[in-house]
Amino acid sequence: GDSVTQMEGPVTLSEEAFLTINCTYTATGYPSLFWYVQYPGEGLQLLLKATKADDKGSNKGFEATYRKETTSFHLEKGSVQVSDSAVYFCALSDQGSGYALNFGKGTSLLVTP
Amino acid sequence: EAGVAQSPRYKIIEKRQSVAFWCNPISGHATLYWYQQILGQGPKLLIQFQNNGVVDDSQLPKDRFSAERLKGVDSTLKIQPAKLEDSAVYLCASSGGGGYGYTFGSGTRLTVV
Repeated sequence: GDSVTQMEGPVTLSEEAFLTINCTYTATGYPSLFWYVQYPGEGLQLLLKATKADDKGSNKGFEATYRKETTSFHLEKGSVQVSDSAVYFCALSDQGSGYALNFGKGTSLLVTP
Repeated sequence: EAGVAQSPRYKIIEKRQSVAFWCNPISGHATLYWYQQILGQGPKLLIQFQNNGVVDDSQLPKDRFSAERLKGVDSTLKIQPAKLEDSAVYLCASSGGGGYGYTFGSGTRLTVV
């Protein structure tokens, strides 16, 4: 079945450092790919998404490109801030699973001043 | 637009007791999902409804968990009897269908002691 694999955390970075969180997926169909973020004490929020190969999702300085050839959707940000400290979840959905979101285990990010 | 409403926000019960959670999705959203998020893990789909019909309940522990969406609007998830390992955040989400427009509620944090 479909699955998502994320790099394990926690990831600790200094403010203004470059961020990459790796995400790869396995799917039988043509999934849509998502990054969700969960700030401390808050609910899940959609950060960005891409619905087809080579699409780039972007929001709040974060970017991820849907790479079908490598089945990847890595999250990047050029300069992180302390306020980016959160848990990031990669997810996919496709028609075969009724469009239910299938999440990775999450990657915790801590940005220090 | 109002978001996905869930109640209660927090619940503490003893093992072997029963508990119920309520979710009211965004108006007009035909698809409703219940997820279980154990601390340190990604959300796991428990059950998916399309209107008042079940699309997928393959990961719902049916010996103790039940869910219904009688009129195709709000939904309840019940656990009876609860076990210690049921301690988690229970998230409700809704979408307009086709993999678009997911919205998550704030969740119910259940602690089983």
